[in-house]
Amino acid sequence: AQTVTQSQPEMSVQEAETVTLSCTYDTSESDYYLFWYKQPPSRQMILVIRQEAYKQQNATENRFSVNFQKAAKSFSLKISDSQLGDAAMYFCAYRIGGGSQGNLIFGKGTKLSVKP
Amino acid sequence: DAGVTQSPTHLIKTRGQQVTLRCSPKSGHDTVSWYQQALGQGPQFIFQYYEEEERQRGNFPDRFSGHQFPNYSSELNVNALLLGDSALYLCASSLDRRSYNEQFFGPGTRLTVL
Repeated sequence: AQTVTQSQPEMSVQEAETVTLSCTYDTSESDYYLFWYKQPPSRQMILVIRQEAYKQQNATENRFSVNFQKAAKSFSLKISDSQLGDAAMYFCAYRIGGGSQGNLIFGKGTKLSVKP
Repeated sequence: DAGVTQSPTHLIKTRGQQVTLRCSPKSGHDTVSWYQQALGQGPQFIFQYYEEEERQRGNFPDRFSGHQFPNYSSELNVNALLLGDSALYLCASSLDRRSYNEQFFGPGTRLTVL
């Protein structure tokens, strides 16, 4: 069975600094997607960034980038120039590829605090 | 363009009761998935509906059932409520015809079972 593990229940970063959130996963599949979702205190889950397993290049979205290590089954999120609005729960998620039926499997989340 | 909407926002029930939660998908989306998020946990997949049928189901008992209507909106029903059913219930919609179908989440319904 596929599992997603986030080993950091809470993280803190100073405004304008950089922080990295960790995620590891376990799967025997070769075709899958990985995601980072942000859930602010208002609760609505928002997609931050995604990575297709077949792509070697790490995904980047503005201040957000990932370090995807397929062999190690590691998928960390780096947030650069942290802003107060980045404070939220961050969830790492996995989805099997090869079609549209796959459901998301989430980790337990990391609560990120941003200090002014 | 309205995103995913859910109703009600909050709900309080007692053990043994039944509850119905509702979800309207993002415009143009035809697939609806439901997730249960217990306090301090990540969301867990309940089931997914497409073309008015349950297409995939997670590890949840039969007390959890759903429905999808011709306009793609969906309901989640939970019978014989238990204290452990207290959680945030999230609805996510997506478009089936794309090989990569991003799921867009609604704000959730907070269910409290007393």
